[in-house]
Amino acid sequence: KAGVTQTPRYLIKTRGQQVTLSCSPISGHRSVSWYQQTPGQGLQFLFEYFSETQRNKGNFPGRFSGRQFSNSRSEMNVSTLELGDSALYLCASSLVGPGNTIYFGEGSWLTVV
Amino acid sequence: QQQVKQSPQSLIVQKGGISIINCAYENTAFDYFPWYQQFPGKGPALLIAIRPDVSEKKEGRFTISFNKSAKQFSLHIMDSQPGDSATYFCAASGNAGNMLTFGGGTRLMVKP
Repeated sequence: KAGVTQTPRYLIKTRGQQVTLSCSPISGHRSVSWYQQTPGQGLQFLFEYFSETQRNKGNFPGRFSGRQFSNSRSEMNVSTLELGDSALYLCASSLVGPGNTIYFGEGSWLTVV
Repeated sequence: QQQVKQSPQSLIVQKGGISIINCAYENTAFDYFPWYQQFPGKGPALLIAIRPDVSEKKEGRFTISFNKSAKQFSLHIMDSQPGDSATYFCAASGNAGNMLTFGGGTRLMVKP
């Protein structure tokens, strides 16, 4: 059974640009969530999608957005990139309902220069 | 607002020793407490998890102790091995979907 797959794994962007990251959840998992990991702030929840609807949202500015497709695949977008957006962006998937194991992908490393 | 506080930030243990990492939470709505292990360049992987209706859960060398009244939980790694050297995160979630609030992480180094 394939795990959570994220693409691209590494990317470098310039300030002011926008970026789109993709995530394919584990087969059968309909809940997809995104996290930002930085040395200073640790692991922070961005948003969660279920059935193509955003179910929860973390405390991030509107420049951070996401969506989920009918096949449960998800994308997140960051517009007008800032240097502080440099981070590891992790996608996670799980079965529906609280208490289910949340499985993480290996992440997309974003560097903003 | 950090709702899950984790300590220590770093820990050095000799091979065969016991590693202990502690976490405290504030939100009484939390009802699921997983621990994740993360190696460099990898995503976090679930190690063990507990719900507040039990005070302890053991899986192999890993044990979670949970104190609901104190709103604290801890991870014990028995017979620590160099391969356990990684960063460990405690986390918590409530009924609001699959949203995890993470502690700040503990970097564990097990010396041979």
